[in-house]
Amino acid sequence: QKEVEQDPGPLSVPEGAIVSLNCTYSNSAFQYFMWYRQYSRKGPELLMYTYSSGNKEDGRFTAQVDKSSKYISLFIRDSQPSDSATYLCAMTYSGNTGKLIFGQGTTLQVKP
Amino acid sequence: ETGVTQSPTHLIKTRGQQVTLRCSSQSGHNTVSWYQQALGQGPQFIFQYYREEENGRGNFPPRFSGLQFPNYSSELNVNALELDDSALYLCASSDDRQETQYFGPGTRLLVL
Repeated sequence: QKEVEQDPGPLSVPEGAIVSLNCTYSNSAFQYFMWYRQYSRKGPELLMYTYSSGNKEDGRFTAQVDKSSKYISLFIRDSQPSDSATYLCAMTYSGNTGKLIFGQGTTLQVKP
Repeated sequence: ETGVTQSPTHLIKTRGQQVTLRCSSQSGHNTVSWYQQALGQGPQFIFQYYREEENGRGNFPPRFSGLQFPNYSSELNVNALELDDSALYLCASSDDRQETQYFGPGTRLLVL
């Protein structure tokens, strides 16, 4: 069993839709949770960063962490064609933030 | 743009050869991590360097080695290349807090 599970998709939505992306994990020691966006043939770009449980909002993006359920989510409101990319969740342990554990990535396509 | 640069952007090698990939960290960052991303997968942690010393290693064989220089730039060396080494190699830099990592665009390696 992988430490971090993420549905690879692909996920296709119409422009303006609300998108929900999710990851589950098995290791309760994870404390730092991140979402990266990766366009084709590019490096991952940090979108959201959350420490421990709770919600964080940045513009159209909201990240949620539920440590009791070992479940994290990224919501994208008013999705745009420019949001079409692969979204990677990543997490790491407290005190060992050097080693990020990534999910497989979910490919999102937002159709005009 | 994160300020992390990598070279070359892509290269082709044959089985058994050796390769050196280079990374220049974001200004002010003294920690660099290297990841391997196979097609359709999330990045896998190779190792991390902090102030020129190896500071953690993932599940990769010794033929994967690295260096970090006083200016915090870094190299990834892979000896005795195998076909399965074909992947996108990413470096990421972070500061002393190591709370978040910022990725470069990657080097795409093809082993024939």
